[in-house]
Amino acid sequence: AQSVTQLGSHVSVSEGALVLLRCNYSSSVPPYLFWYVQYPNQGLQLLLKYTSAATLVKGINGFEAEFKKSETSFHLTKPSAHMSDAAEYFCAVSDLGQGAQKLVFGQGTRLTINP
Amino acid sequence: EAGVAQSPRYKIIEKRQSVAFWCNPISGHATLYWYQQILGQGPKLLIQFQNNGVVDDSQLPKDRFSAERLKGVDSTLKIQPAKLEDSAVYLCASSLGGVAAGELFFGEGSRLTVL
Repeated sequence: AQSVTQLGSHVSVSEGALVLLRCNYSSSVPPYLFWYVQYPNQGLQLLLKYTSAATLVKGINGFEAEFKKSETSFHLTKPSAHMSDAAEYFCAVSDLGQGAQKLVFGQGTRLTINP
Repeated sequence: EAGVAQSPRYKIIEKRQSVAFWCNPISGHATLYWYQQILGQGPKLLIQFQNNGVVDDSQLPKDRFSAERLKGVDSTLKIQPAKLEDSAVYLCASSLGGVAAGELFFGEGSRLTVL
């Protein structure tokens, strides 16, 4: 079964600073990879996804992620943090379940932006 | 386009009582998922439907949890009897196809507190 590890349950950066959220997956074959964002009291919203096309994936709100097979990583970055980026971020990997593909989520990273 | 609708948003019950959650997916979405999100953890898949058939319920505690999607549209998730460890947010999601076909769209969730 696939698994996802997100390094750091909490990350704090200053407004305007680089955001880097780390995600490593366990997979022997190239998987589908996703980043979702969750704002307080809301459901999850897709930021971006990797589905075996370009290794550098651009998403919404200025976020991007790079798939590195050699490092089994899919880290999320944003050059300049904004106050509105404060939220919980989840990395997810596709896994073949009982009868269909399913998403397996990491434990999440809470991003705090300091003014 | 209307999103995934869930109700109730909040529910507080005593242990050993029963509770039911309802989900109405985005119109036309064949695949429906129920996830359990315990505080401080990532969402965990409980059950996945393709139209009105179950394709994965391997992580559903079947002695107390049940779910149905009778007409291939809306779905209910029931817990009976509830335990303290069932306190969580129950997220419903839908997608046009499976994971590989596109993104999952999540509802705002139903927060359950078991006392």
